Amino acid sequence: DIVMTQTPLSSPVTLGQPASISCRSSQSLVHSDGNTYLNWLQQRPGQPPRLLIYKISNRFSGVPDRFSGSGAGTDFTLKISRVEAEDVGVYYCMQATQSPQTFGPGTKVEIK
Amino acid sequence: EVQLVESGGGLVKPGGSLRLSCAASGFTFSNAWMTWVRQAPGKGLEWVGRIKSKAYGGTTDHAPPVKGRFIISRDDSRNTLYLQMNSLETEDTAVYHCIAGLGASEYDCWGQGTLVTVSS
Repeated sequence: DIVMTQTPLSSPVTLGQPASISCRSSQSLVHSDGNTYLNWLQQRPGQPPRLLIYKISNRFSGVPDRFSGSGAGTDFTLKISRVEAEDVGVYYCMQATQSPQTFGPGTKVEIK
Repeated sequence: EVQLVESGGGLVKPGGSLRLSCAASGFTFSNAWMTWVRQAPGKGLEWVGRIKSKAYGGTTDHAPPVKGRFIISRDDSRNTLYLQMNSLETEDTAVYHCIAGLGASEYDCWGQGTLVTVSS
């Protein structure tokens, strides 16, 4: 199974300041079809997760442009350019390249 | 509006069975790849399995911890996804979410989830 790791696991941030989360996979996430199925999910307190970013860097419909994703191969990053109060929650990276699909442990973003 | 509504959760004894349903609306269900993900209380996300659309063979894929015990199926005429869970273990206690892939990814739309508690 592909193991997904995230750093940091907790990220206290100041409103209006940037935040960054790293995600690493135990093997390359490049699929045989050429795509890299690395997604980022956001789970606000008391809510189900929702899709933020798919295939490394594509923002899903309705996601603010302060969220961006980057990376390749085994190393990926989610950045929030200016954290807002509504961004509090847990962020998960996950891979859908290989079965079983696997998730990172989650990074808790909270306001300082 | 795209909507997924899970039902069928509850309290069940170890070794028991339960069938979860996920009613879909607001999109062409038959075209969607559907996924189940679970989240144990206070824990992270765990993939349970997926079923492709009939156009891609309607095949299923299940995570190793549930393979042989859980079965994912779909009824496109009823716009409903199912998760048949047999031989339940305490470790299966979780909120179970169904998810629809609508074109961007397999994780485009999430249901609120239904809680399954396995306890004696």
